[in-house]
Amino acid sequence: NAGVTQTPKFQVLKTGQSMTLQCAQDMNHEYMSWYRQDPGMGLRLIHYSVGAGITDQGEVPNGYNVSRSTTEDFPLRLLSAAPSQTSVYFCASSPHGDNEQFFGPGTRLTVL
Amino acid sequence: LAKTTQPISMDSYEGQEVNITCSHNNIATNDYITWYQQFPSQGPRFIIQGYKTKVTNEVASLFIPADRKSSTLSLPRVSLSDTAVYYCLVGPRTTGGFKTIFGAGTRLFVKA
Repeated sequence: NAGVTQTPKFQVLKTGQSMTLQCAQDMNHEYMSWYRQDPGMGLRLIHYSVGAGITDQGEVPNGYNVSRSTTEDFPLRLLSAAPSQTSVYFCASSPHGDNEQFFGPGTRLTVL
Repeated sequence: LAKTTQPISMDSYEGQEVNITCSHNNIATNDYITWYQQFPSQGPRFIIQGYKTKVTNEVASLFIPADRKSSTLSLPRVSLSDTAVYYCLVGPRTTGGFKTIFGAGTRLFVKA
């Protein structure tokens, strides 16, 4: 199993550009989440999904959209990038929706 | 969701045992204690989870006193490769537990 994969590893955007961060898992987990991590801080939940077709907002959802058309994929869309969205983004999946999560390697995003 | 408090940083030397304590005074009856490890430029990795007394696996031990208001992650004989950030999380081991908050964690630095 590849586990949780994320692409790209690095991305630089200009203010106002849009892009999609990809996340996929091959463990057949129902629960998937997106987090952002700013320097020296913990992780903050952006959006999550409890199954295909079902998504909801986390702690910091503004400026981001998600969809879940399949169990495997959970892309995160930045609608109009802002410098405040410069961060490392992690995708995670969980088989039971509890505290045991499997994280991807992250995407480091810089918005100029 | 229960709030946790842990030291910001700790230093140790190779071969020593390291104990990281986490305080969670308002832990709920159905909350579990979970620890994650995060290496630089990687996503967090689940280490260990427990409810009471002691849990041990190949990576670490988790000690939880009877009142459950704190817990201690014990890493035996650390090596340089154990340098990482360690997060203590408290939340239900049920659906929704994945929304438990990641704090800033404890930055462990192991020296030769």
